[in-house]
Amino acid sequence: NFMLTQPHSVSESPGKTVTISCTRNSGSIAANYVQWYQQRPGSVPTTVIYEDNQRPSGVPDRFSGSLDSSSNSASLTISGLKTEDEADYYCQCYDGSDHVFGTGTKVTVL
Amino acid sequence: EVQLVESGGGLVKPGGSLRLSCAASGFSFTTYTMTWVRQAPGKGLEWVSTISSSGSYIFYADSVKGRFTISRDNAKKSLYLQMNSLRAEDTAMYYCASEYCTADSCLVWRFDYWGQGTLVTVSS
Repeated sequence: NFMLTQPHSVSESPGKTVTISCTRNSGSIAANYVQWYQQRPGSVPTTVIYEDNQRPSGVPDRFSGSLDSSSNSASLTISGLKTEDEADYYCQCYDGSDHVFGTGTKVTVL
Repeated sequence: EVQLVESGGGLVKPGGSLRLSCAASGFSFTTYTMTWVRQAPGKGLEWVSTISSSGSYIFYADSVKGRFTISRDNAKKSLYLQMNSLRAEDTAMYYCASEYCTADSCLVWRFDYWGQGTLVTVSS
């Protein structure tokens, strides 16, 4: 099966923009939808992006998703960073039988 | 209100067994594909196993294949995970999670409802 690799951590100041990458090691990143989950400390994951770039209702438009075929990766961008965005973020794909989670990225709001 | 409530976790010795349960309420459990996801302390999310709404389709991560068995009882609106031959590396919080469904369709690739988890500790 394939793996999804994310940077271990990113940090930025409030109001700034952070981008988290999710790189697939085999097979095309576009082959399966990418979802992104936010997990705040002590809480369960919640969906912030599904199907590569779709936002669930209730998720602010500061969150956006995209794919980059040249790097075979997906990205989650959080603009206008807020302290409440401090959390772990995981990308995830489903290949028809198995779910694969990314390694996770800790976002720190300085 | 949608609820997924896991139970059955605890401390078990290596080689031992545990049976986890996940009781569902507030949504049409019988029509949802369900999944177990685990998270070792301080670590990331790891998919464990998925079962289709009828139980006809079942998938396991390689790390648990042959040791864990997923099942469900739609009449009781419950999901189970029988864990045998437990190892230290199985120590984790175990979450049950549902796929996302609307009135028209379900998206098996997207998780929606999550339980609060039950902690499994494998240690001598």
